[in-house]
Amino acid sequence: DTAVSQTPKYLVTQMGNDKSIKCEQNLGHDTMYWYKQDSKKFLKIMFSYNNKELIINETVPNRFSPKSPDKAHLNLHINSLELGDSAVYFCASSQGTVYEQYFGPGTRLTVT
Amino acid sequence: TQLLEQSPQFLSIQEGENLTVYCNSSSVFSSLQWYRQEPGEGPVLLVTVVTGGEVKKLKRLTFQFGDARKDSSLHITAAQPGDTGLYLCATLPKAAGNKLTFGGGTRVLVKP
Repeated sequence: DTAVSQTPKYLVTQMGNDKSIKCEQNLGHDTMYWYKQDSKKFLKIMFSYNNKELIINETVPNRFSPKSPDKAHLNLHINSLELGDSAVYFCASSQGTVYEQYFGPGTRLTVT
Repeated sequence: TQLLEQSPQFLSIQEGENLTVYCNSSSVFSSLQWYRQEPGEGPVLLVTVVTGGEVKKLKRLTFQFGDARKDSSLHITAAQPGDTGLYLCATLPKAAGNKLTFGGGTRVLVKP
């Protein structure tokens, strides 16, 4: 069983489009995260939700909007996609805001 | 300037050789983690070190936390092609609001 899953694995779209990435975890964790990994492999946190409540919101353009319908799901919607949004987006989860985070396999977003 | 500096950025070795990668900072940390990320996958936690001078072993991998808790190293003995991946160190600095903060990573390639 996959602990943290993301869909889709690959996403190719044109500038200006709106797209969503979905994340689900079956670990029973109460905290979920979105990270962005750029072309140089630098991994940076974007958002975090604890019990469906937003607790971390980094300096991310407000074209990015996370939504957590329940503790097991955290989706990321991106409006008006730009070339610079091309990256790999990782979802992760943990129990509480503790150290040990479990990452999903990533979604490679390519904006053309 | 990144909080965690990793070196080298890239390392290519032959199977059976040893290697060491480093994670350095000017800040003191309460703990530090090492992750391995294989191509097309998310990072996977290898170890957490919490005590200055601590040494932890995971099969052929040896992790050390510096006495001053400002640096850490990962040593791999008799590297195998399966050790190929991106090695990331990470910490949870209070100055960054307890968000998991990653170093830039070291890409390791072990050639058969």
